Amino acid sequence: NAGVTQTPKFQVLKTGQSMTLQCAQDMNHEYMSWYRQDPGMGLRLIHYSVGAGITDQGEVPNGYNVSRSTTEDFPLRLLSAAPSQTSVYFCASSYMTGSGNTIYFGEGSWLTVV
Amino acid sequence: TQLLEQSPQFLSIQEGENLTVYCNSSSVFSSLQWYRQEPGEGPVLLVTVVTGGEVKKLKRLTFQFGDARKDSSLHITAAQPGDTGLYLCAVLFGNEKLTFGTGTRLTIIP
Repeated sequence: NAGVTQTPKFQVLKTGQSMTLQCAQDMNHEYMSWYRQDPGMGLRLIHYSVGAGITDQGEVPNGYNVSRSTTEDFPLRLLSAAPSQTSVYFCASSYMTGSGNTIYFGEGSWLTVV
Repeated sequence: TQLLEQSPQFLSIQEGENLTVYCNSSSVFSSLQWYRQEPGEGPVLLVTVVTGGEVKKLKRLTFQFGDARKDSSLHITAAQPGDTGLYLCAVLFGNEKLTFGTGTRLTIIP
């Protein structure tokens, strides 16, 4: 079982460069989301999607774009990387089942912007 | 302002000791979840509590949801090195928005 797969695991970018973090899930989950985790800040929601073709903003969306063309994939795009986007990024997915949701996280992508 | 305040932020204890960590808020929630995150991995769901006063046990871990559904605690009995990790509480808004606390980083010393 692959679960939630994120690539790349590690990436170093120069300020102003763009890149895409890939996320794929093989559980046919409707809901997918992206979080960033910074020391002392916990995990903060960047963008989320409740199904193919539908995306919405989370708590910290600025500087990031997403799309959901298929149920399986939810890529996160950094348009023009800034040092403030240095963080660990987690993709997550779940069924839309209400308060008893089990949300599955990927293993994370470590991004450094220099 | 953090929606969910977790305390303590760091905790280091000897193997075999008991401990309690807390998750507090001024808001009322319909449910609350606890996650454990180990280094280099994503968070893993431990439990969901939904009823005020509810107590759930997971082996040596006991989770309690406050009567007013504003707070929760996690108690670990006879801590083991395998319990080391970052413990996060989280609340779900609707079906989509999971909001996390800042976490308690627990270290169990053999």
